[in-house]
Amino acid sequence: DIQMTQSPSTLSASVGARVTITCRASHSISSWVAWYQQKPGKAPNLLIFKASSLESGVPSRFSGSGSGTEFTLTISSLQPDDFATYYCQQYNIDPWTFGQGTKVEIK
Amino acid sequence: QVQLVQSGAEVKKPGSSVKVSCKTSGGTFSSYAINWVRQAPGQGLEWLGGIIPMFATANYAQNFQGRVTITADKSTSTAYMELSSLRLEDTAVYYCARDQGVQGVFASWGQGTRVTVSS
Repeated sequence: DIQMTQSPSTLSASVGARVTITCRASHSISSWVAWYQQKPGKAPNLLIFKASSLESGVPSRFSGSGSGTEFTLTISSLQPDDFATYYCQQYNIDPWTFGQGTKVEIK
Repeated sequence: QVQLVQSGAEVKKPGSSVKVSCKTSGGTFSSYAINWVRQAPGQGLEWLGGIIPMFATANYAQNFQGRVTITADKSTSTAYMELSSLRLEDTAVYYCARDQGVQGVFASWGQGTRVTVSS
């Protein structure tokens, strides 16, 4: 199985800050990466697919980049609604696997 | 607007089975894969398997092979996930999620079903 490793596990930041989350794959997965946001007690919500494509309806302050084994999710200016846990996921080879999550907390 | 509505919470004994349903509306049921993802308390996300209703053949993660069965009823646009030989560590919220059109990209999610395994 392809392992996805996110860093950091927790991130403290202020409203308006630029935030970057990194995800590393154990094998090359081209650009077959998605990013999800999850709030407590809710289902995950798709933000980004194919490493950098923004899902319809997702604010443009979210962006993704990377290919091969290293990927990033960036929030250009953190908003109060963005405090949540973020997961990367590979869909290059099944089983589809997720990173362990990055919790973005209020500083 | 695609909507997925799951069945309610379950409490089960170790060794028993649970069957969770996921009724979809607002889209084409047969063409897109319905997947099942679980989340243990305080933990991350784990994919169990999926099915494309048109083909009626499910694909399972190796970790759950032999214990999970995923089916789909095209007449009611409902997918099912049955997990057998339940263990305490199967306690989790189970989500169904529909592909976006690309296999493995989960664009629409159900609200989740809490399954508690307790003796």
